[in-house]
Amino acid sequence: GNSVTQMEGPVTLSEEAFLTINCTYTATGYPSLFWYVQYPGEGLQLLLKATKADDKGSNKGFEATYRKETTSFHLEKGSVQVSDSAVYFCALSASEGAQKLVFGQGTRLTINP
Amino acid sequence: DTGVSQDPRHKITKRGQNVTFRCDPISEHNRLYWYRQTLGQGPEFLTYFQNEAQLEKSRLLSDRFSAERPKGSFSTLEIQRTEQGDSAMYLCASTYRGANTEAFFGQGTRLTVV
Repeated sequence: GNSVTQMEGPVTLSEEAFLTINCTYTATGYPSLFWYVQYPGEGLQLLLKATKADDKGSNKGFEATYRKETTSFHLEKGSVQVSDSAVYFCALSASEGAQKLVFGQGTRLTINP
Repeated sequence: DTGVSQDPRHKITKRGQNVTFRCDPISEHNRLYWYRQTLGQGPEFLTYFQNEAQLEKSRLLSDRFSAERPKGSFSTLEIQRTEQGDSAMYLCASTYRGANTEAFFGQGTRLTVV
């Protein structure tokens, strides 16, 4: 079946540091890939997405590239801010049928000033 | 539209009691999903509706769980004879039918079974 594996957390960085959160997936067919973010006390929000191989999703300074050859969708940001502290979830959805999301376990990110 | 809303936000119940949660999706969305999230884990799919039809249920959804979406608008998730293992955050999401459309999530209902 489909699955997503994320880099284990928690991750703690200083402000302006470079961020990478690794995500790899297993899927049949051609899934779409997503990063969702959950800020403290809030619901899940879509951060970015990519729908086919070599697509790059980007938003709020975050980027991730859909790499079919390595089945990866790593999240990166060049300079993190305190306000980026949150839990980040990598997810996929199959291209057919229910298009339900399959999530990784989440990575808690804390940015210190 | 204020997005997906869920009610209640928190529920504490005694083991063996029945509980019901409500989800109001974004009004023009025809697909509605329920997920369950336990501490330290990502959300897991439970079931989904397209309009009023329940089209898929996960193996996670035991016979004690039932979901409805009358008239294709709001949805309810009922858990009968609750067990401590049912303690989790229950999330609702809605979306348009169609490939690659964004799912919008509610803030969830946190259930604690004591």
